[in-house]
Amino acid sequence: ELKVEQNPLFLSMQEEKNYTIYCNYSTTSDRLYWYRQDPGKSLESLFVLLSNGAVKQEGRLMASLDTKARLSTLHITAAVHDLSATYFCAVDIENFGNEKLTFGTGTRLTIIP
Amino acid sequence: NAGVTQTPKFQVLKTGQSMTLQCAQDMNHEYMSWYRQDPGMGLRLIHYSVGAGITDQGEVPNGYNVSRSTTEDFPLRLLSAAPSQTSVYFCASSYSRAGESYEQYFGPGTRLTVT
Repeated sequence: ELKVEQNPLFLSMQEEKNYTIYCNYSTTSDRLYWYRQDPGKSLESLFVLLSNGAVKQEGRLMASLDTKARLSTLHITAAVHDLSATYFCAVDIENFGNEKLTFGTGTRLTIIP
Repeated sequence: NAGVTQTPKFQVLKTGQSMTLQCAQDMNHEYMSWYRQDPGMGLRLIHYSVGAGITDQGEVPNGYNVSRSTTEDFPLRLLSAAPSQTSVYFCASSYSRAGESYEQYFGPGTRLTVT
């Protein structure tokens, strides 16, 4: 059974600081997704990582994937308040399609001015 | 494109009642999925479909039925509602091309309370 673990579960950080969210998974996979969810809202796709060593960056967020270590990281650089949200990683172990994602429990990020 | 739409946005049911949560997408995606989100547990897959006429169970299928008669629609039926089914339900759709996977697009969610 695939297990996806995120840590930390809660993170309060000051503006302008850097931090990393970790996503570990238990079964071989080379497809990992990061989503953002604002309170009371739906999920918004951030990154799609499809191979070992994949790195994607968008603004102050950068995601990477190490399939050998079964680890993905989401790095936040010089945090700003509007990055406050819950971040989920999700893993796909199917050969085709991505209709069966297994999600981590989420990291609730709060940026403090 | 409207993307993925879900109705209703909110619903209150009494124990034992049945209802259908509607989900539709206008992106011609072949894959559709239903998840439930409970506090502290992330999202869990209920049922999914890889195309019209094809459905399968996810991690937590008990108490729910699905059907996929068209590419666009993927309704989720609660057969006899129980308080344990109080949750936020998200429908998602996605596609793949030439073996490449792409992200799932999520609907706005349905917040269901069973009393």
